[in-house]
Amino acid sequence: KQEVTQIPAALSVPEGENLVLNCSFTDSAIYNLQWFRQDPGKGLTSLLLIQSSQREQTSGRLNASLDKSSGRSTLYIAASQPGDSATYLCAVISNTGGFKTIFGAGTRLFVKA
Amino acid sequence: DAGVTQSPTHLIKTRGQQVTLRCSPKSGHDTVSWYQQALGQGPQFIFQYYEEEERQRGNFPDRFSGHQFPNYSSELNVNALLLGDSALYLCASSSASGIYTGELFFGEGSRLTVL
Repeated sequence: KQEVTQIPAALSVPEGENLVLNCSFTDSAIYNLQWFRQDPGKGLTSLLLIQSSQREQTSGRLNASLDKSSGRSTLYIAASQPGDSATYLCAVISNTGGFKTIFGAGTRLFVKA
Repeated sequence: DAGVTQSPTHLIKTRGQQVTLRCSPKSGHDTVSWYQQALGQGPQFIFQYYEEEERQRGNFPDRFSGHQFPNYSSELNVNALLLGDSALYLCASSSASGIYTGELFFGEGSRLTVL
């Protein structure tokens, strides 16, 4: 059974700091991994999608990496801003037992001005 | 280009009642998935619809049912509501190629409160 864990659960950093959010999964048989941002009480906004054959994806100040063999992904945020404050969720689509999307519980990020 | 739209945004029900939530997928998408998100947790997969059929299902009881229409829009129905059904219900759409589901795009969700 696929399980997704995100560490840390919460993080508070000063503005301008570079930071790394971690996501680990137990079953390496995945189709892809997707990172999302969620503001309080809102839906999810897609940030980056990494296919299983890829190692990383970049969008602006965001860089996501994927290491299937070790069951890990990281989301790197450069030069953090107060507007980055949100919950960041990672999700994997497993191709065992059907193509289901499994989410982690998220990392709550607070960037202080 | 309209994204994923959900209705209603908020609703309050009492235990034992039934609720229907609606979702219109992003233009060009043919697959709709539903998720339940309790406060402080990640979304939990309920089921996915493709070509008007339920393709995958998570660990949810039969009280949770759905439907997909020919225009790809979808409904989530929950019968015999329990207090524990209070959550944010999220709809996601994607474009399927065979059985593979691509990038997910989410709506803003429907906040259900059961009293």
